[in-house]
Amino acid sequence: DAGVIQSPRHEVTEMGQEVTLRCKPISGHNSLFWYRQTMMRGLELLIYFNNNVPIDDSGMPEDRFSAKMPNASFSTLKIQPSEPRDSAVYFCASSLQFRTGGFGGLDQETQYFGPGTRLLVL
Amino acid sequence: KQEVTQIPAALSVPEGENLVLNCSFTDSAIYNLQWFRQDPGKGLTSLLLIQSSQREQTSGRLNASLDKSSGRSTLYIAASQPGDSATYLCAVRSSGYSTLTFGKGTMLLVSP
Repeated sequence: DAGVIQSPRHEVTEMGQEVTLRCKPISGHNSLFWYRQTMMRGLELLIYFNNNVPIDDSGMPEDRFSAKMPNASFSTLKIQPSEPRDSAVYFCASSLQFRTGGFGGLDQETQYFGPGTRLLVL
Repeated sequence: KQEVTQIPAALSVPEGENLVLNCSFTDSAIYNLQWFRQDPGKGLTSLLLIQSSQREQTSGRLNASLDKSSGRSTLYIAASQPGDSATYLCAVRSSGYSTLTFGKGTMLLVSP
């Protein structure tokens, strides 16, 4: 498998423009995560999907950010309008989540990260 | 809210030294803890995963320990090599959650 694929790898745009980041998770994985990494705040979870459904979007900074997962093999993170403070590296990760035990608890294999998209908003 | 802290933020050692990276977390109700490695311009790669019921995990020259009651984990790297130079991140999965909380990492430089 090629691993998690992200595009573009680098994006430079001007303030106010729309930015769309793309992610293709590992085939067979049912959980997808979008993270943002900055020097100041480290790695922060933005949103988490399970079986294409958003489960936790509490990390999404504001209404300018939106994420979709139309099918199991593709997700987008959109910023509209973009601002200089959005400059960061955005990572996508995927994993396999499954039920374990008689009580149906959820377990999850390790997350596999993509190479990231380095975004610069001028 | 779980918070994860890593000390030191940066570390520089000569090749061959044994070293310890530290990770602390505020809520001891965790499901597991992971150590990741990040090379410059790259994504994260999982090194070791310790379940909450375990005390340590080993992989090659790496050994990670977990003391859940005190909210601490250490990553021990034996006989460090220049190829170990990278940023090491600790991540905690809290009980009842499917997501990870990351520390800011320790940037390690091993000089020849």
